[in-house]
Amino acid sequence: GESVGLHLPTLSVQEGDNSIINCAYSNSASDYFIWYKQESGKGPQFIIDIRSNMDKRQGQRVTVLLNKTVKHLSLQIAATQPGDSAVYFCAENSGWGKFQFGAGTQVVVTP
Amino acid sequence: GAVVSQHPSWVICKSGTSVKIECRSLDFQATTMFWYRQFPKQSLMLMATSNEGSKATYEQGVEKDKFLINHASLTLSTLTVTSAHPEDSSFYICSAGGGQGAFDEQYFGPGTRLTVT
Repeated sequence: GESVGLHLPTLSVQEGDNSIINCAYSNSASDYFIWYKQESGKGPQFIIDIRSNMDKRQGQRVTVLLNKTVKHLSLQIAATQPGDSAVYFCAENSGWGKFQFGAGTQVVVTP
Repeated sequence: GAVVSQHPSWVICKSGTSVKIECRSLDFQATTMFWYRQFPKQSLMLMATSNEGSKATYEQGVEKDKFLINHASLTLSTLTVTSAHPEDSSFYICSAGGGQGAFDEQYFGPGTRLTVT
């Protein structure tokens, strides 16, 4: 059931500013990572992915950075818009389609 | 991108009854699908891997006799919550990959909200 008192970390961002969401992953052998966006009551939506042989990958308004030395992943969203308000999860590949999800970060975009 | 559907999108059932949730890959075949559970304000937790033509493999702590998985075809996996209890109330999400490789993106279904009264 629901854990009483548990809440997602929240990042409050002003519309038009850049957002940076951070994620620490656990398995140094993980070789593929995905950032997902989840809006309330919906399933996760793919944003961008990166393989472990890369440090950086850019998409449309989003950039993912991977630091394997410290097992850290970040998602940068440029010019954050109201539609970017959602929960963002990083997910690491623990083998052949099986993903381990991070705790998630709630992004709230303010006007 | 590929489309994964789930049915029903929400269901309310009484304690002690069983509920079946379907996961379908609409425009691709998937030999493997995954079932996740998500409690409010929490992350997705992998429950089991559904394998077409063979038994599902369950994550540690997930009761296989309570959460029955059947991967009947390359486009359909079902999760049956047996003898449901209020603590089983959760958001159940399935995923499927479009290919067979290790680096394949997973496509997620829209989720099924289960409420057990």
